[in-house]
Order: sequence, then structure tokens, then C-alpha cells
Amino acid sequence: SQTIHQWPATLVQPVGSPLSLECTVEGTSNPNLYWYRQAAGRGLQLLFYSIGIGQISSEVPQNLSASRPQDRQFILSSKKLLLSDSGFYLCAWSIGGEKLFFGSGTQLSVL
Amino acid sequence: GEDVEQSLFLSVREGDSSVINCTYTDSSSTYLYWYKQEPGAGLQLLTYIFSNMDMKQDQRLTVLLNKKDKHLSLRIADTQTGDSAIYFCAESTRSQGNLIFGKGTKLSVKP
Repeated sequence: SQTIHQWPATLVQPVGSPLSLECTVEGTSNPNLYWYRQAAGRGLQLLFYSIGIGQISSEVPQNLSASRPQDRQFILSSKKLLLSDSGFYLCAWSIGGEKLFFGSGTQLSVL
Repeated sequence: GEDVEQSLFLSVREGDSSVINCTYTDSSSTYLYWYKQEPGAGLQLLTYIFSNMDMKQDQRLTVLLNKKDKHLSLRIADTQTGDSAIYFCAESTRSQGNLIFGKGTKLSVKP
């Protein structure tokens, strides 16, 4: 069966520090991969999605970047965090673009 | 543009039925989804309905779809305290499986 791993679960970082959040999927090949952010108001904002290795689409301009170095690995990064980057980050996968399955999330606090 | 709307709060008594409503705008959506999010956790796919169906039942959950009015509802029968969570409605879009999410309805179940 397929599983998705996302870590760390919580992270506290100072403003200006770098960020790396990692997500891996097991039990499937060539998934679509997604990074969402959930701000305090609960809405889900799609940040990046990827349909294959090295293929990243960005939905909103921001201080973050994403990479997909391997088929089942998706990384969210920043060179210098801003206060506004705080939020709950969710990784997700799908096959063929239907039925997203989410990881357990990372609560990021930028202080 | 694409948009999904749902009320932010719903409070019910244990044992009653809960009905969470959602409206969407993209008439070409293939699937419509209901996700459940418990505090501090990722989103869990509860159920989904194909756009050519008008009802789907799965144990205590009933999904009704009115495609003409672009209205989706989730009924939870015999609501339990463990059903307390945020429920997200989502529609599929043409864009690589990017789901459009509502802001979530927080369901509170009182004993």
C-alpha cells in the first residue's frame, strides 16, 4: 500500500535562516507531488506541484522553492525565511491528478 | 474563476445528523471530495463522488451532489464526538489534478 512521509512534524526557525522540508512517497511510481500551505485562516494554498523528476510548477510567487531530485521525493526550501512563511505545510501525492493523499504536515514557526 | 465556498462553523449534539454544505463554480469538475482534518494533522480523504452521480453512501456518510446548482453536501448520521474536526470540500480542476479547496467547516459535536 502507498504511504507518504513528511518531516519534521514541527520546526521553529529564526527569520533569515534556511529551510528544508522533505516528503517521500512509498508504494507507487511516478506520482504527482504537491506542496500546500495552510495559514491560520484554514484555507489551503497550493504552492508547488510536480508531475515528474525535475518538473516543478509554481502556483504563487514567493520566498520558497521546490525540487524533485527523485521520483518519490519532494523538497520544499527557502534560502532566507520570512515571518510570513509561518504556517502548516502539507505534502500530498496523487496518481493521474485525482484523489490527493496528504502527509501529516509540518508546523513551521518563523520567529 | 474557480471557487469553493462552505460555511465556517457547524455545531451539533452527539447522536444528531450533521449536514455540511458546499458550493463550487467549475461545472467541468470530474470529482468532488470531502476531506477531514483533525487538530494538528494532515487532511484525510473521507469520500468522493464522480460528477455524473447524484448520491453516494458509505456507512454513516452520505454525499449528495446537485450538479445543476453546483451544490455538494456531506451528511454524517449519528454524529459522534470523534467526528469533531474541520471538513474540507474540494473540486478537481483541469490543471494537473490541482484540487480547489474550500476554507473548511469546523464541526463541533457537543455531548
